[in-house]
Amino acid sequence: KNEVEQSPQNLTAQEGEFITINCSYSVGISALHWLQQHPGGGIVSLFMLSSGKKKHGRLIATINIQEKHSSLHITASHPRDSAVYICAAFLNSNTGKLIFGQGTTLQVKP
Amino acid sequence: GAVVSQHPSRVICKSGTSVKIECRSLDFQATTMFWYRQFPKQSLMLMATSNEGSKATYEQGVEKDKFLINHASLTLSTLTVTSAHPEDSSFYICSAKKGGAFFGQGTRLTVV
Repeated sequence: KNEVEQSPQNLTAQEGEFITINCSYSVGISALHWLQQHPGGGIVSLFMLSSGKKKHGRLIATINIQEKHSSLHITASHPRDSAVYICAAFLNSNTGKLIFGQGTTLQVKP
Repeated sequence: GAVVSQHPSRVICKSGTSVKIECRSLDFQATTMFWYRQFPKQSLMLMATSNEGSKATYEQGVEKDKFLINHASLTLSTLTVTSAHPEDSSFYICSAKKGGAFFGQGTRLTVV
């Protein structure tokens, strides 16, 4: 079992739909990243969370430390949101080392 | 925000040759950088931790003589794939930590 588990692995949505991607982890972490990777490979950090909730535009990320669970929500989804979304956890050791989830491939159809 | 620049973005090389990939932190000093590898449709896997002024720390199963890492300054780490083979073809990406993690653009290596 991976230390960081994401679901679903693949997700297809219609434009405008509300999307949720989940991330569960089994290790102690100091913070969790949500990342976006486009087909060309480049990675953009969307959020870094250690508690609570963050919002940026149509994206919302939440984390529940007690339940070791985080979610990424996309409101009013758009085809340009199509990408791979990855959660990655900083371990408590504070080395800066990240443990990655398997990624969720999102396709938003017009 | 912090910027990490990786170069080249794509490289094609012949089997047996060596390829150097650079990772630079442009507006901050990074004593530690990380090198990851990603196979198609898979997640990123940590290869090694690059430490400024000292030896890199390699993850289990990563050949240190194959993947040479040098972190000679506070803003530059290099990964050299030596005697490249087609199975080394992959997407390589670096990151540095400044608060959160900042990633380079990645390098797609194709060995022919």
